[in-house]
Amino acid sequence: GEDVEQSLFLSVREGDSSVINCTYTDSSSTYLYWYKQEPGAGLQLLTYIFSNMDMKQDQRLTVLLNKKDKHLSLRIADTQTGDSAIYFCAERRGSARQLTFGSGTQLTVLP
Amino acid sequence: NAGVTQTPKFQVLKTGQSMTLQCAQDMNHEYMSWYRQDPGMGLRLIHYSVGAGITDQGEVPNGYNVSRSTTEDFPLRLLSAAPSQTSVYFCASSRARNTEAFFGQGTRLTVV
Repeated sequence: GEDVEQSLFLSVREGDSSVINCTYTDSSSTYLYWYKQEPGAGLQLLTYIFSNMDMKQDQRLTVLLNKKDKHLSLRIADTQTGDSAIYFCAERRGSARQLTFGSGTQLTVLP
Repeated sequence: NAGVTQTPKFQVLKTGQSMTLQCAQDMNHEYMSWYRQDPGMGLRLIHYSVGAGITDQGEVPNGYNVSRSTTEDFPLRLLSAAPSQTSVYFCASSRARNTEAFFGQGTRLTVV
């Protein structure tokens, strides 16, 4: 997963916006994903974006994709304590289009 | 609908022991994968399968075997456990190559 890079930690205050960034490597990736992992649980798909899109919005979540720079971001508006989790970006690559994950960003929401 | 079921949830092994981590899905998904999760390293792909009877190696396959005799099941075998295999293991399945992957709850393995 080292080819998909994320910062390891992010802290925000409750009610602020969070922005989690990711850089990926495979320019042929067709889908890019954001997964959320709560403590002791598996990964849950939050949202995804197709590579021909620049932006996707889903309620409090906004995904931005810059294909030229291979940069993906997830913005969470009005961050709540329940948003505290690890967030993984992932791309599908290779002939079998397997998921390759970043290292995950631990989001901590402070009261 | 159970989704992806992994057993056991927790396991402690002694170095050199062998065991099988079970993964089953009831969604008739063709694609199944095994990942290990280690701190600061995200999820790394161990082995994957694109259909019954077909398996292939991922990023970190050494020390692990898999088989896919049915669409539903994709067991992961540790042949001779080593402390370096202490990790959390996740199984995932998806309907096709570019669709959502569904994850099991994970198996926390400790090798002493």
